[in-house]
Amino acid sequence: GAGVSQTPSNKVTEKGKYVELRCDPISGHTALYWYRQSLGQGPEFLIYFQGTGAADDSGLPNDRFFAVRPEGSVSTLKIQRTERGDSAVYLCASSLDIGTSGTQYFGPGTRLLVL
Amino acid sequence: AQTVTQSQPEMSVQEAETVTLSCTYDTSESDYYLFWYKQPPSRQMILVIRQEAYKQQNATENRFSVNFQKAAKSFSLKISDSQLGDAAMYFCAYRSPFGGANSKLTFGKGITLSVRP
Repeated sequence: GAGVSQTPSNKVTEKGKYVELRCDPISGHTALYWYRQSLGQGPEFLIYFQGTGAADDSGLPNDRFFAVRPEGSVSTLKIQRTERGDSAVYLCASSLDIGTSGTQYFGPGTRLLVL
Repeated sequence: AQTVTQSQPEMSVQEAETVTLSCTYDTSESDYYLFWYKQPPSRQMILVIRQEAYKQQNATENRFSVNFQKAAKSFSLKISDSQLGDAAMYFCAYRSPFGGANSKLTFGKGITLSVRP
């Protein structure tokens, strides 16, 4: 694939339900990031993976949020017991370098709406 | 913690004219990276330009250039010969110089740029 892809593009769910958001990074990119963008705001960091491990999950808002990257490629962001405040665009980015100069390339995001 | 401030929520420019988007940041680090990203309605965040703080020379990419004032912690984006396709939200972002767990981006709130034909 040419770029970062995310599925689904849009997701509507009901309060209390469980959702999974998927990210396919650029092939060969070892670093993967999740960000959350609320309406009218800039993206906010959630979690960073280097390979299969979560190197920094300090941005996850609470324990309802969890993310995995079992094979070091595709990542899934999981939200349990969704709340209306979880409604946002969830962006994924990947980067080739783990060093200091890696540029992050973003996917088109998943717009989550919790009713 | 680093912060990025974009105080102008909206700007408008006439097609073919020049516009400057402002950004300030706060950090205690002496070296770092700064970015401008463009986000059209498609939501795809596109890198416009990047600046490494240790480089004195301002970065330039075709019609896009920056005015990087390290002492003032200011990082503005100048768009020359504005085109209709430039209409989008623009985000300023900061990144620590260290890799690994410090490589996350810190974004400003963004500015909506409209281009008048």
